[in-house]
Amino acid sequence: GENVEQHPSTLSVQEGDSAVIKCTYSDSASNYFPWYKQELGKRPQLIIDIRSNVGEKKDQRIAVTLNKTAKHFSLHITETQPEDSAVYFCAASSLAGGADGLTFGKGTHLIIQP
Amino acid sequence: NAGVTQTPKFQVLKTGQSMTLQCAQDMNHNSMYWYRQDPGMGLRLIYYSASEGTTDKGEVPNGYNVSRLNKREFSLRLESAAPSQTSVYFCASRAGLRAEAFFGQGTRLTVV
Repeated sequence: GENVEQHPSTLSVQEGDSAVIKCTYSDSASNYFPWYKQELGKRPQLIIDIRSNVGEKKDQRIAVTLNKTAKHFSLHITETQPEDSAVYFCAASSLAGGADGLTFGKGTHLIIQP
Repeated sequence: NAGVTQTPKFQVLKTGQSMTLQCAQDMNHNSMYWYRQDPGMGLRLIYYSASEGTTDKGEVPNGYNVSRLNKREFSLRLESAAPSQTSVYFCASRAGLRAEAFFGQGTRLTVV
């Protein structure tokens, strides 16, 4: 099945600086790559996603890039703010082995230092 | 618009007890999922259902059973709870393979 690796596990940045979280995936058939944000005690919520026919997508301060050849994708957050503090999960979706699963990375705890 | 609704929110079980976690979605989604979340382990897929009447194992299915009762409802059953099943459980649904997954509010289960 699909395997998604996510780094780093913890990231601390100064408010106003940029944050980058990286993920790699194993299944070349994966074609959908969402990013979820989870605040403490809350459910994961989608912040941005990218499909395999696109190399980059941007939404205000958040951007995602995808390199299909290298099988990795990254989340970029610019001008970080205190409310960006949360756990972020990347995921990959494929039909590997007939599965309909969405495989998640282990998460990155982003800490925004004032 | 309720989205995905899970019950209960909290539960404490004794080892060996059984229980069923309920999940319902009102978005007419075909696919539904059960995940467990443990510290440092991310979200791991327990079971999923690609459509009404079908269910398949995910990464960590041992000790669990599921039922896709109809298109709206997907339940997760623990027949004989073990301390290793202490976790936060999330139900999710989505319209298709390249669609956003929506999560329920989670169930915090403790097995003592």
